[in-house]
Amino acid sequence: GQQLNQSPQSMFIQEGEDVSMNCTSSSIFNTWLWYKQEPGEGPVLLIALYKAGELTSNGRLTAQFGITRKDSFLNISASIPSDVGIYFCAGQWGQNFVFGPGTRLSVLP
Amino acid sequence: DTAVSQTPKYLVTQMGNDKSIKCEQNLGHDTMYWYKQDSKKFLKIMFSYNNKELIINETVPNRFSPKSPDKAHLNLHINSLELGDSAVYFCASSQGRGGDYEQYFGPGTRLTVT
Repeated sequence: GQQLNQSPQSMFIQEGEDVSMNCTSSSIFNTWLWYKQEPGEGPVLLIALYKAGELTSNGRLTAQFGITRKDSFLNISASIPSDVGIYFCAGQWGQNFVFGPGTRLSVLP
Repeated sequence: DTAVSQTPKYLVTQMGNDKSIKCEQNLGHDTMYWYKQDSKKFLKIMFSYNNKELIINETVPNRFSPKSPDKAHLNLHINSLELGDSAVYFCASSQGRGGDYEQYFGPGTRLTVT
């Protein structure tokens, strides 16, 4: 089946630092989605990407849909304590979705 | 207003029991999903319904039966609960057409089987 790999698995950063994480697959996807999950909550959609090469921003977040359609990255600039959580990428084809294992982000004050 | 809601939030039950989880979305979406998130936080799709029609049915034991009375509701019934069913179950919805596959998740139901 299709699988997504996310790196890094976890990261500890200082408040104010920029963060970069990525998602790769051996398969092509039509849509890439990035979600954030906080403890006890459901995943919250951050950014959706629909075209290869597309670069989209949402506040301090920027994500790109890779040209090969097999990867995507998410950057967070000037991190703040409330950025703590698990960040998931998800790939879509047809009516199906595959989620990556997540990147756990910790922000140290 | 809650876009995707689930009840109950927590469910503790014994092995062998039958239980149901309810989900409702008020986004007007056509497609609804059930996901299972295990203790390592892996999210795996279980079922997907589009306009009350089952379109995805992943390798899930047939003790799990989804039911969609209308396109705003997707319930999950689980028979003969087992210890391995303990997980967080998320409902989600998306427009699912016109290229719009942005999924919105409910708050989750934490199921504990003892």
